[in-house]
Amino acid sequence: EPEVTQTPSHQVTQMGQEVILRCVPISNHLYFYWYRQILGQKVEFLVSFYNNEISEKSEIFDDQFSVERPDGSNFTLKIRSTKLEDSAMYFCASSDAADRLAGELEQYFGPGTRLTVT
Amino acid sequence: AQSVTQLDSHVSVSEGTPVLLRCNYSSSYSPSLFWYVQHPNKGLQLLLKYTSAATLVKGINGFEAEFKKSETSFHLTKPSAHMSDAAEYFCVVSGETGANNLFFGTGTRLTVIP
Repeated sequence: EPEVTQTPSHQVTQMGQEVILRCVPISNHLYFYWYRQILGQKVEFLVSFYNNEISEKSEIFDDQFSVERPDGSNFTLKIRSTKLEDSAMYFCASSDAADRLAGELEQYFGPGTRLTVT
Repeated sequence: AQSVTQLDSHVSVSEGTPVLLRCNYSSSYSPSLFWYVQHPNKGLQLLLKYTSAATLVKGINGFEAEFKKSETSFHLTKPSAHMSDAAEYFCVVSGETGANNLFFGTGTRLTVIP
């Protein structure tokens, strides 16, 4: 069964450094998402991406964050200058265009990347 | 605004006994509702979803949930717990119609005692 994959599973970085989290969505999906979960808190929506542009973003997704689909398979989240409070589990998700048109909002999630900022 | 409340952060049941994980939601429109499960070191897996069709929804692994609009609830149940059901469960509500985002509850950790 196709699944969303994410690399790395765990990333440790120093405060102020740039970090790129990588995701490979399910191959025929056209909608992509990033969520994060700070330890002990809710999973929170960050951004959605469709047709090579951001379609929606939350207040969390400020100028320090960016997303990109550099090729036909990868979807990345970049944090330009990491802060301690960026430490969290980051989940990538994707959904099928046909499902969305049918009003089905199911998103398929990857296993997450745990980001630790020291 | 949409929100989800999972009433129990931790539920513990004996193997073979029923499971009840509670979820209440708040929404200004007719939402879609989901239950996701997360096993250790795994991604979030969809258990079941409600999208304005039948109010009793059956999912994978014997789970089901009933949408009760009058109670704004979407509780998850299973008649008989299995050891493999031990995991974190998230109740999720969709954003506004046409929106892309999902709103998660805080999760309920289910422990199954042999």
